[in-house]
Amino acid sequence: DAGVIQSPRHEVTEMGQEVTLRCKPISGHDYLFWYRQTMMRGLELLIYFNNNVPIDDSGMPEDRFSAKMPNASFSTLKIQPSEPRDSAVYFCASSRSLWEAFFGQGTRLTVV
Amino acid sequence: ILNVEQSPQSLHVQEGDSTNFTCSFPSSNFYALHWYRWETAKSPEALFVMTLNGDEKKKGRISATLNTKEGYSYLYIKGSQPEDSATYLCAFDSNYQLIWGAGTKLIIKP
Repeated sequence: DAGVIQSPRHEVTEMGQEVTLRCKPISGHDYLFWYRQTMMRGLELLIYFNNNVPIDDSGMPEDRFSAKMPNASFSTLKIQPSEPRDSAVYFCASSRSLWEAFFGQGTRLTVV
Repeated sequence: ILNVEQSPQSLHVQEGDSTNFTCSFPSSNFYALHWYRWETAKSPEALFVMTLNGDEKKKGRISATLNTKEGYSYLYIKGSQPEDSATYLCAFDSNYQLIWGAGTKLIIKP
């Protein structure tokens, strides 16, 4: 298995633009997590899904952020409109249980 | 392909006993090694950031050592308590990207 695949690896966008981050979990994993890492706040859980259903989105910073999981093999995290303070590394992770986590390589987002 | 391995995958420890587990990582392009404590579906809690070979860091009953030449770090927990039950994640930082281990699940038995 190729592991959790995130795209793009890097994204530079202008403030106000829409940004879509993509994640392909490991096949057979029922859980999918989106995290954001910044110097100031460390690693934050934004939202997680179980069997494609969002379970806890309390970590989503505000309405500009939305996440979907239309099927078991794909999830998106969308920011619209983007702001410079959204600049961070966004990680996606998948797992078979809530006790493990297989992380993707992350998407480094820069909003200028 | 850069790979980070954590072992064991899971561990059951009697309350009061001490324990340790391992994170193995590439020995090249090393910048830092991160340890996190992760409880079910919460934001991982940063425990240590280790940068120097031979480094040893301590936080209460938890400590960690680092060997960058051979590519491993140990996390030690002294006198385990039920609240130590969690998954412990390590991440290899090459200053370009973070590569994560899958975690060691620790369960403390009362």
